[in-house]
Amino acid sequence: DSGVTQTPKHLITATGQRVTLRCSPRSGDLSVYWYQQSLDQGLQFLIQYYNGEERAKGNILERFSAQQFPDLHSELNLSSLELGDSALYFCASSVSQRASTDTQYFGPGTRLTVL
Amino acid sequence: DAKTTQPPSMDCAEGRAANLPCNHSTISGNEYVYWYRQIHSQGPQYIIHGLKNNETNEMASLIITEDRKSSTLILPHATLRDTAVYYCIVRPTLNAGNNRKLIWGLGTSLAVNP
Repeated sequence: DSGVTQTPKHLITATGQRVTLRCSPRSGDLSVYWYQQSLDQGLQFLIQYYNGEERAKGNILERFSAQQFPDLHSELNLSSLELGDSALYFCASSVSQRASTDTQYFGPGTRLTVL
Repeated sequence: DAKTTQPPSMDCAEGRAANLPCNHSTISGNEYVYWYRQIHSQGPQYIIHGLKNNETNEMASLIITEDRKSSTLILPHATLRDTAVYYCIVRPTLNAGNNRKLIWGLGTSLAVNP
């Protein structure tokens, strides 16, 4: 158990819909990262937040957005969903950027299926 | 960010050492080598990381060549539970700026056989 929690575990929805994925980082971690993993693909970095502020952006679509709240949990919002958005979505967290190392610890993921 | 090259798959007999290679020929001086593994669609699990020196922890050993262009992850006594996809990633140190994203390839699918 990494200490990172994600809800829901599974999500099934239809094209055109909007969903919200939730992540709670490990206690004490200030950074949250979101990744997408499509079938038989490597992880694609989407976005990173640190202490409530966006810090790095990867291959995140304009239909997707994220935020990190004052209690440090984060939400990833996916809208106008398409079939190709079906994937595993992982959240990871890491300690303060002032630490000498910045290992990321991953949650169990949310499996999104768009029908 | 430097890219890595790993063999797509490997086999290992249970109880034997599993040696997983990774090439990172374009690595720069301020980049760490990280290893993670992913067991059947679970969240990736951190294994070990290093900069220049060899590293060992309770899970594995990491051997980095002197020129830092390649590394090997060693699982000393592989078990069936070590069957997973192993990812080798390079990333800059904190002093290199705010870029903390990880670039993931497809990794090596390790099958530990009884």
